[in-house]
Amino acid sequence: SQQGEEDPQALSIQEGENATMNCSYKTSINNLQWYRQNSGRGLVHLILIRSNEREKHSGRLRVTLDTSKKSSSLLITASRAADTASYFCAISGYSTLTFGKGTMLLVSP
Amino acid sequence: NAGVTQTPKFQVLKTGQSMTLQCAQDMNHEYMSWYRQDPGMGLRLIHYSVGAGITDQGEVPNGYNVSRSTTEDFPLRLLSAAPSQTSVYFCASTSGTGEPYNSPLHFGNGTRLTVT
Repeated sequence: SQQGEEDPQALSIQEGENATMNCSYKTSINNLQWYRQNSGRGLVHLILIRSNEREKHSGRLRVTLDTSKKSSSLLITASRAADTASYFCAISGYSTLTFGKGTMLLVSP
Repeated sequence: NAGVTQTPKFQVLKTGQSMTLQCAQDMNHEYMSWYRQDPGMGLRLIHYSVGAGITDQGEVPNGYNVSRSTTEDFPLRLLSAAPSQTSVYFCASTSGTGEPYNSPLHFGNGTRLTVT
């Protein structure tokens, strides 16, 4: 199974700034999903983008997918302290859903 | 609607002991799965089930057993605990509708297991 690789591993920003996280993968995918995990909690689904889509929005979240470069990015605009969490991409192949190791985002007031 | 419920939240075992991690969902989801999360390793799939009576192995199944007698419940059994099984365990489910990996997963809040 393939694993997405998030970059950077950690990101520290101030409230109001934008946060961008990237995910790269190696083989073909059905879709790519982004999840958030607050400390001590389970993962929460944010956005699913299919292989034939290039961009999706959900509130302050924007996800792009470039299948030619095998990469995706998650942009959080106007970050808040409550956005502090780990963010994971999950790669959906034809029989698996594989998670990356995550990006830890710290948003300081 | 409680979603996915995992019990217990914390557990300490001695090497060689057995235990069952419970997972229940009230969303009538056909697909259920177990992941373990270790520092620097991300989440790794242990076992999954696409419906009652059907289970299959994931990436790291050794040392774990599962069964799926009802749609709601998907317990994970550690037969003889080892320190390498110290981890945080997450149960997740999705409606799937025949394509579970193309649907968002709903996660429980995890069981933190320590094996000494």
